[in-house]
Amino acid sequence: DGGITQSPKYLFRKEGQNVTLSCEQNLNHDAMYWYRQDPGQGLRLIYYSQIVNDFQKGDIAEGYSVSREKKESFPLTVTSAQKNPTAFYLCASSIGGPQPQHFGDGTRLSIL
Amino acid sequence: ILNVEQSPQSLHVQEGDSTNFTCSFPSSNFYALHWYRWETAKSPEALFVMTLNGDEKKKGRISATLNTKEGYSYLYIKGSQPEDSATYLCARRGQKVTFGTGTKLQVIP
Repeated sequence: DGGITQSPKYLFRKEGQNVTLSCEQNLNHDAMYWYRQDPGQGLRLIYYSQIVNDFQKGDIAEGYSVSREKKESFPLTVTSAQKNPTAFYLCASSIGGPQPQHFGDGTRLSIL
Repeated sequence: ILNVEQSPQSLHVQEGDSTNFTCSFPSSNFYALHWYRWETAKSPEALFVMTLNGDEKKKGRISATLNTKEGYSYLYIKGSQPEDSATYLCARRGQKVTFGTGTKLQVIP
């Protein structure tokens, strides 16, 4: 089955640690996205990539980094510079154009 | 309107009632509008892609309309069922994709 796989489902971070959230898709989509959701808020765009080896900052990129070395993979690193990392993170992909996004099941990140 | 706004924020309806909610968005540089259904413990799932002013889309008991000139879209659910309980998100596709905060619908049996 084609889809998007995010791992892990739950992740705990100690203060000062970097952690990496995995996102893999086998839909052959060019575009991939990372969103953050906080309680009572909508999805906010962290980073997006429209093609391999290229990515752009979204609305809340500070404290995060990404890479897009392969079409299938778009990992997100939450760095120690992100002061409030506790949130639910969603990865998505799309074929581009007006087409909608396909989402993974999300990763919930908490601070120990 | 600078952002994508959805109303109401939450809604409780009785089973069998029809309901509707609104998505308002900036009308400039519009490319597409997406509606998603997000059920608890699942990932958001696309319902409709709307691109043209006056578009009307329908999937079963759910339908949507689009007005790009005034910047709004309505989602209608006819004869709500408990399985319709979910958060309904709209997203405006311009240069980037911007999501609204969603309307949380609970259908009471």
